[in-house]
Amino acid sequence: GIQVEQSPPDLILQEGANSTLRCNFSDSVNNLQWFHQNPWGQLINLFYIPSGTKQNGRLSATTVATERYSLLYISSSQTTDSGVYFCAVLSTDSWGKLQFGAGTQVVVTP
Amino acid sequence: EAGVTQFPSHSVIEKGQTVTLRCDPISGHDNLYWYRRVMGKEIKFLLHFVKESKQDESGMPNNRFLAERTGGTYSTLKVQPAELEDSGVYFCASSPWRESYDEQFFGPGTRLTVL
Repeated sequence: GIQVEQSPPDLILQEGANSTLRCNFSDSVNNLQWFHQNPWGQLINLFYIPSGTKQNGRLSATTVATERYSLLYISSSQTTDSGVYFCAVLSTDSWGKLQFGAGTQVVVTP
Repeated sequence: EAGVTQFPSHSVIEKGQTVTLRCDPISGHDNLYWYRRVMGKEIKFLLHFVKESKQDESGMPNNRFLAERTGGTYSTLKVQPAELEDSGVYFCASSPWRESYDEQFFGPGTRLTVL
């Protein structure tokens, strides 16, 4: 099956700093989504981005499908950005089964 | 438009007991999915309903897990009997019927603790 690798596994940021999270995948995809799991365990949809670039406030994401990677940018980080960020993909030969990466644990310190 | 809702938000049970989790998808979404994250590991797919039919249940760990979606609306996931390794967060997601690769919208999850 498709492999999804996220880097870095852990990230510690000072409030106000910028960061980039990466998601590499091993095969062609029809769907790529970014999520934030907050400290309460809830999974929040951030982006649906099988290709191209999107922005939502301080967050933006870019997927280069031909090169099989996606980037999530966090600008001017805040303590509420802490949590685990997951990338999930749907390979072209899969019906509906999202394959998640292991996640990037982000801690933003005041 | 209401999002995906899950009940309960948190459940604490003892090993050997039974627990039933409920998911209400976004109204009109034919696709419903169950996923779980156990013990800080990766989020794993459990199964996929299209309306009331099971499209893919390849991720169900064993026969202690039973999922149903009667009438093609809400879904339940029953764990009987629960084991310690079942502890984790169970997520439900839904998507419209249009395409298999539509965005999946996730609920807030049910945190299951088995003591």
